[in-house]
Amino acid sequence: EDKVVQSPLSLVVHEGDTVTLNCSYEVTNFRSLLWYKQEKKAPTFLFMLTSSGIEKKSGRLSSILDKKELFSILNITATQTGDSAVYLCAVEEYGNKLVFGAGTILRVKS
Amino acid sequence: DAGVIQSPRHEVTEMGQEVTLRCKPISGHNSLFWYRQTMMRGLELLIYFNNNVPIDDSGMPEDRFSAKMPNASFSTLKIQPSEPRDSAVYFCASTHDSGGALIFGPGTRLTVL
Repeated sequence: EDKVVQSPLSLVVHEGDTVTLNCSYEVTNFRSLLWYKQEKKAPTFLFMLTSSGIEKKSGRLSSILDKKELFSILNITATQTGDSAVYLCAVEEYGNKLVFGAGTILRVKS
Repeated sequence: DAGVIQSPRHEVTEMGQEVTLRCKPISGHNSLFWYRQTMMRGLELLIYFNNNVPIDDSGMPEDRFSAKMPNASFSTLKIQPSEPRDSAVYFCASTHDSGGALIFGPGTRLTVL
């Protein structure tokens, strides 16, 4: 059965800390891996990764994919309270099916 | 672009009643997904359509749930009869099957009393 596992399940840090969120996966027909941020509403798209070893960056957030070891990490540097959210990892298979992990709850304390 | 549009945003109903959730995907997207999210089970895929055709409905909990996509710009998810355990946030999301991020609608928060 296809699965996506995220770790840690939850994390509490102080403003200014750097965090690394992990996502490992087992799917049959991998197409891409996506990261989403969910606050009190719908998930919002952060990154899509399709190739190994190519880092994607957006401000203080960055992500990279390892298709050999079947995992991805999401880094957030200089965290702010506004980064507090649930971060969801999802893996897309060919045929468009998207499998989500359970998410990592991040809380950034001021 | 207005994004994915869902209605209603909130629905409170009594057990046994029929509930219909509506979704308008982003124009040009040809894949549409219905997800349900609860604290206990996270985000669960219920069904998805490609070019208006249901591709995978294995996530639909039981016969009380049905979904349709009569055209490229509209989909419904119906629950009949509703039960308290159906209470959740229901998200509709769309994308294009050539690749690209799945974009979520704002969700419908359903409460079944």
